[in-house]
Amino acid sequence: GQNIDQPTEMTATEGAIVQINCTYQTSGFNGLFWYQQHAGEAPTFLSYNVLDGLEEKGRFSSFLSRSKGYSYLLLKELQMKDSASYLCAGLDSNYQLIWGAGTKLIIKP
Amino acid sequence: ETGVTQTPRHLVMGMTNKKSLKCEQHLGHNAMYWYKQSAKKPLELMFVYSLEERVENNSVPSRFSPECPNSSHLFLHLHTLQPEDSALYLCASSQVLDTVAHEQYFGPGTRLTVT
Repeated sequence: GQNIDQPTEMTATEGAIVQINCTYQTSGFNGLFWYQQHAGEAPTFLSYNVLDGLEEKGRFSSFLSRSKGYSYLLLKELQMKDSASYLCAGLDSNYQLIWGAGTKLIIKP
Repeated sequence: ETGVTQTPRHLVMGMTNKKSLKCEQHLGHNAMYWYKQSAKKPLELMFVYSLEERVENNSVPSRFSPECPNSSHLFLHLHTLQPEDSALYLCASSQVLDTVAHEQYFGPGTRLTVT
């Protein structure tokens, strides 16, 4: 079966760094997405990885290891506005997104 | 209007009612999606329309009926729903080009409560 696993909830301190992990099992693989979703709002696109390695976008970076079926989202210099749920989604061989349940990130002052 | 819009934002309906959710995308995309989001569960893909053709999803109960009159509009018709159908219903759109993956853009969702 297809499955995406990520932690349910994480807590971090303002100004610190946090890494949100995601492991995936999909039928075929065409890349991995990360989305951010603030409470009561729509998910918004953060990153897409299809090749191994690290993609950096400002304070956010995303890493992929296809051999390990593993990805992480790295958030640096955390701000209170980063409090949100972070959704990991794998793209299968039919180009359908398989979603994780999301990681709720709580930022404390 | 920009991006993906959804109406209504909130809906309370009885189990015998009939209602429709509306989605409109202003991005020129050729694929649209309906998702169900329940608390602490993964997004559940309900329906996909790609190039205005529907991709069947046999696991969705027949009390949910999608309609895609053109590439910019998507509806979800609801009838005789159950309380467990209460959830956030999200619409999304993307550009599908052969084997190139593109991100999906989401609307703000309709919070549905079935009483």
